[in-house]
Amino acid sequence: GENVEQHPSTLSVQEGDSAVIKCTYSDSASNYFPWYKQELGKGPQLIIDIRSNVGEKKDQRIAVTLNKTAKHFSLHITETQPEDSAVYFCAASKHTGTASKLTFGTGTRLQVTL
Amino acid sequence: NAGVTQTPKFRVLKTGQSMTLLCAQDMNHEYMYWYRQDPGMGLRLIHYSVGEGTTAKGEVPDGYNVSRLKKQNFLLGLESAAPSQTSVYFCASKAGGETQYFGPGTRLLVL
Repeated sequence: GENVEQHPSTLSVQEGDSAVIKCTYSDSASNYFPWYKQELGKGPQLIIDIRSNVGEKKDQRIAVTLNKTAKHFSLHITETQPEDSAVYFCAASKHTGTASKLTFGTGTRLQVTL
Repeated sequence: NAGVTQTPKFRVLKTGQSMTLLCAQDMNHEYMYWYRQDPGMGLRLIHYSVGEGTTAKGEVPDGYNVSRLKKQNFLLGLESAAPSQTSVYFCASKAGGETQYFGPGTRLLVL
């Protein structure tokens, strides 16, 4: 089955700096890669996703890049703010129009300090 | 719309007791999922459903049962709780696309 590795497990940046979280996946057939943000005591919330036919996607301060050859994808957050502090999860799935089960990474705890 | 809701928010069980976790969604989604979240292990899929009346096993199904009698509800049952089932349980749902929407979670402690 699919295996997703995520690094680093914790990341501390100063407000205004950039943060990068990296994930690798094992199944070359995976074609959908979402990123979820989980705030304390809440459920994961989708912040951005990318499909295998696209190399990069950006939404304001958040961007995701995908390298299919190397089987890795990354989340980039620019101009970080204290409200960006949370746990971030990457995931991968083979979207076949049915259940498309997600395999999650182990999470990155991002701390944005003032 | 309330989205995905989960009941209860928190529960303490003794080893051997049973309980049912309820997930409800008001988005008319076909697909529903149950995950457990443990420290350092991300979210792992327990069971899922592709429609009313259907269920299937995920990555870690042992010790759990599920039912999807109504399209909007997905129940997760623990017949005989064990300390290893102490976790935070998340339900998610999705329509025909890829995006899964998660509920707020149920924190379960088994003593």
